[in-house]
Amino acid sequence: KQEVTQIPAALSVPEGENLVLNCSFTDSAIYNLQWFRQDPGKGLTSLLLIQSSQREQTSGRLNASLDKSSGRSTLYIAASQPGDSATYLCAVRPRSYIPTFGRGTSLIVHP
Amino acid sequence: DTEVTQTPKHLVMGMTNKKSLKCEQHMGHRAMYWYKQKAKKPPELMFVYSYEKLSINESVPSRFSPECPNSSLLNLHLHALQPEDSALYLCASSQDFAGIRETQYFGPGTRLLVL
Repeated sequence: KQEVTQIPAALSVPEGENLVLNCSFTDSAIYNLQWFRQDPGKGLTSLLLIQSSQREQTSGRLNASLDKSSGRSTLYIAASQPGDSATYLCAVRPRSYIPTFGRGTSLIVHP
Repeated sequence: DTEVTQTPKHLVMGMTNKKSLKCEQHMGHRAMYWYKQKAKKPPELMFVYSYEKLSINESVPSRFSPECPNSSLLNLHLHALQPEDSALYLCASSQDFAGIRETQYFGPGTRLLVL
């Protein structure tokens, strides 16, 4: 059974720092990996999707990488801002196609 | 337009009530999902509809009954729920269910409280 782990569970940083959030998964036979952002009590907002054949994807200040063989993905946030404060979730799509989520990293960026 | 809408936003119901949650998307997506999310936990998949047919039921109790009237609408009928069913219920959609490019788009959720 696919298991997804996100480290750290929580992170508090001053504005302007560059951040790295980690996601690891136990079964490397995945179709894709998707990063989401969730604000408290709200739905999930898709940030980036990386297909299994890709190594990275970029959107603005966000860059996500995927190393399928080692079962790892990282989300890099450049020049963090208070508006980036949220919970960041990664989800993998295994061979069963059933998305499996990590527990998330709760990020606080303080001014 | 990448919007998934859900109604109601909040719902309080007693254990003997019958209520329904509604989800709608107009992106032409053929896969729709129901998730349940408890506080500080990741979303847990409940059901998947693909081309208006129920494809996946993750051993969900029968007091939850999904329905897909057409390709744009997804309902979740609730009956005789328990207090432990209180959670945020999220709907999502994607272009298709199987495929390496399938991005899921989520709605804002319905916050359900069962008394």
